[in-house]
Amino acid sequence: EPEVTQTPSHQVTQMGQEVILRCVPISNHLYFYWYRQILGQKVEFLVSFYNNEISEKSEIFDDQFSVERPDGSNFTLKIRSTKLEDSAMYFCASSEATGGQETQYFGPGTRLLVL
Amino acid sequence: GDSVTQMEGPVTLSEEAFLTINCTYTATGYPSLFWYVQYPGEGLQLLLKATKADDKGSNKGFEATYRKETTSFHLEKGSVQVSDSAVYFCALRHTGNQFYFGTGTSLTVIP
Repeated sequence: EPEVTQTPSHQVTQMGQEVILRCVPISNHLYFYWYRQILGQKVEFLVSFYNNEISEKSEIFDDQFSVERPDGSNFTLKIRSTKLEDSAMYFCASSEATGGQETQYFGPGTRLLVL
Repeated sequence: GDSVTQMEGPVTLSEEAFLTINCTYTATGYPSLFWYVQYPGEGLQLLLKATKADDKGSNKGFEATYRKETTSFHLEKGSVQVSDSAVYFCALRHTGNQFYFGTGTSLTVIP
């Protein structure tokens, strides 16, 4: 069964450093998403991406974040200058279409620790 | 704004026990409601969903009924197995792209 994959599974970085989290969505999906979960808190939406553009973003997704689809298979989340509070589990997701009933398929997550 | 509140864990049950994980939501209109499950080391997997009031979603022996009057979508299973040990997330989706998730409830089933 097709699945969303993410790399790395764990990432440790120093505050102020840039990190890139990578995702390979399901191949025929057109909509891509990033979510994060700070330890003990809710899974929070960051951004959705379609047709090489951001289609929706939350207040969390400020100027230090960016997303890119650099080729036909990868979808990346870049954090330009990491802060301690960026430590979280980051989930990538994809879907065939959009709309209230559409299912999003999630990857296993990347656990980011900022020291 | 839209939000989901689910029962805090962790929950520990013996095999064959009855499971209920409570989930309530706040949203205008008629969102779609979902339960996702995360097994150790894996991603969030869709367990079941319901897209309108009074719909019942079911899968792998789990059920949840969309109750508009109580704004709830409680997850139930009549007889849990050790393999059901995982973290369960309640979520809603409205007109936009984003899901609103609860904090997750960790379930451990002991033999």
